[in-house]
Amino acid sequence: DQQVKQNSPSLSVQEGRISILNCDYTNSMFDYFLWYKKYPAEGPTFLISISSIKDKNEDGRFTVFLNKSAKHLSLHIVPSQPGDSAVYFCAARKLTDKLIFGTGTRLQVFP
Amino acid sequence: DVKVTQSSRYLVKRTGEKVFLECVQDMDHENMFWYRQDPGLGLRLIYFSYDVKMKEKGDIPEGYSVSREKKERFSLILESASTNQTSMYLCASSRISSAPSNQPQHFGDGTRLSIL
Repeated sequence: DQQVKQNSPSLSVQEGRISILNCDYTNSMFDYFLWYKKYPAEGPTFLISISSIKDKNEDGRFTVFLNKSAKHLSLHIVPSQPGDSAVYFCAARKLTDKLIFGTGTRLQVFP
Repeated sequence: DVKVTQSSRYLVKRTGEKVFLECVQDMDHENMFWYRQDPGLGLRLIYFSYDVKMKEKGDIPEGYSVSREKKERFSLILESASTNQTSMYLCASSRISSAPSNQPQHFGDGTRLSIL
């Protein structure tokens, strides 16, 4: 039972354009959502998070949007850069520090 | 900066062996976690610990055990390694979150374990 789903295994975007990564969830009890970025041969690194009481959080080029009625969140990267090429995982938290991760989306930003 | 160190980057073991994966963090974090990452499956939680000598099962604990004798160290043990435990293993640590805030998890660089 996959409670956090990333339905797009890969995404290819031109440098300078917007990258939109999507994530769907099934459990309305999740209270926090996070995005992690992972380069090959490295561990995931925390990127940005959003509380379930908000619908938007922005940090520089990265913005996360939360639509609770649709149980959907998205990560926008504007403008996309080649260094953003990585695997992105969304994760959800349910009132504890335990996270449930999605399966990841591989983003490739080409020149 | 938080540093989470996993003792080995690559490890090759044989079926039936007892395997120890070690993880150390230097930021006095209360929480520590062990995940495995497999293609198409994302990160799945094996075990986690909120305190010394405390452990809780994650989503896929079968075939694994853990040990946390000191706050900074969290060990994952494969009691009798099998080929389906070939995977990338990731350790993470975090502070305990107090609502409504969230403390992100910090990950080590992983151990790629092959069971032959």
